[in-house]
Amino acid sequence: KAGVTQTPRYLIKTRGQQVTLSCSPISGHRSVSWYQQTPGQGLQFLFEYFSETQRNKGNFPGRFSGRQFSNSRSEMNVSTLELGDSALYLCASSPFGAGGAETQYFGPGTRLLVL
Amino acid sequence: AQKITQTQPGMFVQEKEAVTLDCTYDTSDQSYGLFWYKQPSSGEMIFLIYQGSYDEQNATEGRYSLNFQKARKSANLVISASQLGDSAMYFCAMREGRGYSTLTFGKGTMLLVSP
Repeated sequence: KAGVTQTPRYLIKTRGQQVTLSCSPISGHRSVSWYQQTPGQGLQFLFEYFSETQRNKGNFPGRFSGRQFSNSRSEMNVSTLELGDSALYLCASSPFGAGGAETQYFGPGTRLLVL
Repeated sequence: AQKITQTQPGMFVQEKEAVTLDCTYDTSDQSYGLFWYKQPSSGEMIFLIYQGSYDEQNATEGRYSLNFQKARKSANLVISASQLGDSAMYFCAMREGRGYSTLTFGKGTMLLVSP
């Protein structure tokens, strides 16, 4: 099975712009989660989608949004970019997003640099 | 309070030696899962091993084993016979409860394996 794929891998934007990142989960996985990783804050949960519905949301401002399509592919959007949004954005998929034992598998990430 | 604590920012080990990476967790749930991920410099999070809160035996996956001490709330990763390719960041993570919950990550431990 192909793993989780994320596009683009690298992105450079300027403050005030918006950006859209894409994630394709492992085939058959219906839950997609997004994380932001920075040196200062570590890995922080952004949101989780299951069957096109946002099921969980982390503590991020409304500038961060996402959606999931009927084929389980997901996009996240960041509007009005700030310097602090520079980070590695990781997408992870799992079959159902259920608690406990279900393992999340991660993609290679998108490195976003905001100038 | 932090839910996942990794007290070792960095560890050095020689090739072929064993190394233990520490992880303690905090939860009031009876049902939870503990995960270890490896993150090489490329950025992708690679799933290594899983331990369920009700599992009586320590999990093992090849050269990786998890030393699970429930009463102490610790879930240390043991890598036997280290290899140069093991040099990476290692993250301990927890997923609480039986419902739809997210992964909470520790700050990570950087492991360097020398020849």
